[in-house]
Amino acid sequence: GAGVSQSPRYKVAKRGQDVALRCDPISGHVSLFWYQQALGQGPEFLTYFQNEAQLDKSGLPSDRFFAERPEGSVSTLKIQRTQQEDSAVYLCASSGGRSSSFYEQYFGPGTRLTVT
Amino acid sequence: GNSVTQMEGPVTLSEEAFLTINCTYTATGYPSLFWYVQYPGEGLQLLLKATKADDKGSNKGFEATYRKETTSFHLENGSVQVSDSAVYFCALRAYGNKLVFGAGTILRVKS
Repeated sequence: GAGVSQSPRYKVAKRGQDVALRCDPISGHVSLFWYQQALGQGPEFLTYFQNEAQLDKSGLPSDRFFAERPEGSVSTLKIQRTQQEDSAVYLCASSGGRSSSFYEQYFGPGTRLTVT
Repeated sequence: GNSVTQMEGPVTLSEEAFLTINCTYTATGYPSLFWYVQYPGEGLQLLLKATKADDKGSNKGFEATYRKETTSFHLENGSVQVSDSAVYFCALRAYGNKLVFGAGTILRVKS
């Protein structure tokens, strides 16, 4: 089916606003990952879900960041009280489908967040 | 901890030139290694991978060999094309399946 999709593709937020970023993984994929990519850098791990369980959130930079995947499919990354240092591209990836290498991560196009 | 170091760019080459992008890693155990590519305006795509020492991954004219003794996974292409212009990321899969990426290397190929 379709690949990983993310929305919105671009988001501008004023400092202090809350934002919610959505990820639709490939249908049937068990695992879902969030990464943060600062300008000119490689992606950095934020958090990981297996189905609806959040197994690793060690990369979340502060308690302002929160992620959920309540039904084991769509995931939302929420950032409260955004700060300028939160400006980055947020990437979602999924893996674990039957028709692909189980551990291979497929990435979405990302959401570019700019905090002004 | 786990980390990946890759050569800084940008790398600028003429079409049909030979390309090497160096990548070294630090990891506990024996991680799987990957090269991802990001074309302008597109998302990250897996280019090639190797899961154990001495494995060679290859795809689209690119190849890389997993060298445990030098903890390296250098990317090579014997004849680059303009269409290969992109950002290339070396990565390893750490415990828990998360990927650890290098900073990326911009490749520009001129006709």
